[in-house]
Amino acid sequence: QSALTQPASVSGSPGQSITISCTGTSSDVGSYNLVSWYQQFPGRVPKVMISEVTERHSGISNRFSGSKSANVASLTISGLQPEDEADYYCSSYAGSGNWVFGGGTKLTVL
Amino acid sequence: QVQLVQSGAEVKEPGASVKISCKASGYNFNAYAIHWVRQAPGQRLEWMGWINSGNGNTKYSQNFRGRVTFIRESASIAYMDLSSLTSEDTAVYYCARGFEHAGYIDPWGQGTLVTVSS
Repeated sequence: QSALTQPASVSGSPGQSITISCTGTSSDVGSYNLVSWYQQFPGRVPKVMISEVTERHSGISNRFSGSKSANVASLTISGLQPEDEADYYCSSYAGSGNWVFGGGTKLTVL
Repeated sequence: QVQLVQSGAEVKEPGASVKISCKASGYNFNAYAIHWVRQAPGQRLEWMGWINSGNGNTKYSQNFRGRVTFIRESASIAYMDLSSLTSEDTAVYYCARGFEHAGYIDPWGQGTLVTVSS
């Protein structure tokens, strides 16, 4: 099972907006609204931020938003802040009980 | 609060097996699946599969089928057993509670580092 495709890295300056894409196939991202996003700081445990494509979890800033079009899901971070610098992973249900993660994106705040 | 506590770090020789435990607390263990995810050093998250804590049904990623086994005990403990270890299995292994209807896992255990080295 292939990983979802994410850019290896993205960067932005404080206050800017960035978008991280997550490209799957018609068998996973394209077929189910069960895309989630996780934030992971170095040496730390991943934390869910968004599930079901757009649903922000408790305590997650509204600067974070999710969307999906066809086989591509996206995480947008607006008003970028230094503390947003982390690794971000998407995940999708892939049918028949299978799940799949993306390759991860390292966000650098310049 | 909901918590998953995993067993400690392991060092194994190539060809050996490793068994990691995941003790759940703060919720109805039988009502949720436990997923297993691993992360090799500097690498991405890799989904390994899940076990239905209620009935013991399992789903394994095809990448691990035949080498991994999930079990659960009535004491709210899940286990992951991985056999025929190679250096490529060196990773941090996480357990996490699954929300199947919404497609996410939360919370995650603290992770267990498995080092495979001769």
